[in-house]
Amino acid sequence: DIQMTQSPASLSASLGETVTIECLASEDIYSNLAWYQQKPGKSPQLLIYDASSLQDGVPSRFSGSESGTQYSLEINSLQSEDAATYFCQQHHDYPPTFGAGTKLELK
Amino acid sequence: QVTLKESGPGILQPSQTLSLTCTFSGFSLSTYGMGVGWIRQPSGKGLEWLANIWWDDDKYYNPSLKNRLTISKDTSNNQAFLKITNVDTADTATYYCARIGSILRIRSCNWFAYWGQGTLVTVSS
Repeated sequence: DIQMTQSPASLSASLGETVTIECLASEDIYSNLAWYQQKPGKSPQLLIYDASSLQDGVPSRFSGSESGTQYSLEINSLQSEDAATYFCQQHHDYPPTFGAGTKLELK
Repeated sequence: QVTLKESGPGILQPSQTLSLTCTFSGFSLSTYGMGVGWIRQPSGKGLEWLANIWWDDDKYYNPSLKNRLTISKDTSNNQAFLKITNVDTADTATYYCARIGSILRIRSCNWFAYWGQGTLVTVSS
């Protein structure tokens, strides 16, 4: 199975700041990476697929990038509603695997 | 509008078989390229993919649980199902069904664009 190592496990940031969450794949996944946002008691919501393609309806302050096997989710101009846990998922090879999650708190 | 909703027993005892139903609308599992998956999440923990079923009844399972899983569908009633045999306390989790993101990537290891609200399953004696 492809391992997805996500960091940091948690972070705290202020409104208006920019934060970056990273996922390191254990092998080349050829840009086949998705990002999800999950709020407490809710199901995950797709933000990005194919490493950088924004899902319809997702604000443009969310963006994805890659460098080798390292993938990043950047959230610009943090809003209060961005407080959530974020997960990455590789969709290159079965079984699809997820990162452990990053809990983002707003100061 | 795509919606999915899971239903299950809520609580069951160790060694029993867990039966889950996903009822969906806004798409059809008879559409070429369409697929639905099941993912679970223990409380406060990460996500684990379990299985996918495709429009042509092709099925993919997580090897770590494959011998215990059976995924199926009822296209005419817009439902997908998952059975897990011989459950244990480690199977306690919220179970989600989700629709795959792209029907163009036939049977590929896809992302999940639409998720149900989840159903909590507790295994306890």
